[in-house]
Amino acid sequence: QVQLQESGPGLVKPSETLSLTCTVSGVSVDNGDYYWSWIRQPPGKGLEWIGYVYYSGHTNYNPSLKSRVSISIDTSKNQFSLNLTSVTAADAAVYYCVRDAIWRFDTWGQGALVTVSS
Amino acid sequence: DIQMTQSPSSLSASVGDRVTITCRASQTISTSLNWYQQKSGKAPKLLIYAASSLQSGVPSRFSGSGSGTDFTLSISILQPEDFATYYCQQGYSPPWTFGQGTRVDVK
Repeated sequence: QVQLQESGPGLVKPSETLSLTCTVSGVSVDNGDYYWSWIRQPPGKGLEWIGYVYYSGHTNYNPSLKSRVSISIDTSKNQFSLNLTSVTAADAAVYYCVRDAIWRFDTWGQGALVTVSS
Repeated sequence: DIQMTQSPSSLSASVGDRVTITCRASQTISTSLNWYQQKSGKAPKLLIYAASSLQSGVPSRFSGSGSGTDFTLSISILQPEDFATYYCQQGYSPPWTFGQGTRVDVK
């Protein structure tokens, strides 16, 4: 059974960096059939794709966040990670790590709520 | 970016009703359209991919249709567990984008 689990601080100060890690079980992140994405959802709002990483390290980011985001992968730990710099209140959201099976998101983590506050 | 517009934004229905939700893309996306169901406090769940293919484990009362710019999600006989918010998502050209969601609640 494939499972994804987000981990990281639930509270980040304005202007600092949001860092989350997704631990994957049941499938290897170096499986070339999948990409590994991050998606976020502000409270009470819709879904926004942040970006993906492939096992090779290839990434693609949403242009709306591209200047502040980086996604990396660690195949030895079967994890991938998100860094978002210079956060503001607008970055407060539930962050999901997601398996991307050729442009459809077929397996989701439970989500990690990140609050931005001093 | 490809804009995805769902209608209606919300609807009220009863158990046993047939429910239809529409999603329109701002440009043609062939059949690269997926549908998700999200219940309160939970992660979204993939229902339909490639416009009309049923994801494994999803009940057959869910169906999808359409191509190009206009797509439809139908629930043939609404069940109590189907009250939720539904999102469409295009997988044609990055950045992948979602519709704003359609909330289905109890009439």
